[in-house]
Amino acid sequence: EVQLVETGGGLIQPGGSLRLSCTASGLTVSTNYMSWVRQAPGKGLDWVSVIYSTGSTHYAESVKGRFTISRDNSKNTLYLQMNSLRAEDTAVYYCARECEPFGLAIDYWGQGTLVTVSS
Amino acid sequence: DIVMTQSPDSLAVSLGERATINCRSSQSVLYSSNNKNYLAWYQQKPGQPPKLLIYWASTRESGVPDRFSGSGSGTDFTLTISSLQAEDVAVYYCHQYYNTPRAFGQGTKVEIK
Repeated sequence: EVQLVETGGGLIQPGGSLRLSCTASGLTVSTNYMSWVRQAPGKGLDWVSVIYSTGSTHYAESVKGRFTISRDNSKNTLYLQMNSLRAEDTAVYYCARECEPFGLAIDYWGQGTLVTVSS
Repeated sequence: DIVMTQSPDSLAVSLGERATINCRSSQSVLYSSNNKNYLAWYQQKPGQPPKLLIYWASTRESGVPDRFSGSGSGTDFTLTISSLQAEDVAVYYCHQYYNTPRAFGQGTKVEIK
């Protein structure tokens, strides 16, 4: 059974930094396309970033230069380093797996971790 | 960047009736080399992560009831719930994974009339 468990969320002041972690079981992070998707309170889904199995990374324009996606193969864990946080980054952050046989539709999601950016 | 636009933003349908949600992409998500549309549909209930319903625009994910169907190609897509059940009350999102940045529609809230 695949499980994705996000941790690291919390309350942070504007301009601060936070690192989210997503620990996977039942799948290998390094051989999959792994994404972060966020959802502001009461709002829709907002794609943030993806790391390919090759290591190539891509970002939404709204986070480019501030957020960094990475992985630790030995820990089977995906990360999202978030710097220069803004109020508009407040959201539940979901870790997700893009399924290659489905053409990279997301088939597994974590339960999410809440990031609140506020003074 | 591809922009996904859903319509309507919300709809109320009687139990057992049909619900139809539309999704339009600002450019084609049809990949010519394999003739597949890189378009998915998700269902999200309150307090839960999204759940994959449909991928390749019309392929139902395993375990999804057959009252859910997807259609369309290129830039125009539709999710149909043929006979709305109480457990279908949720927000539905379309999603393009044709390229990066990936994009979601703004969501359509489905309620019981």
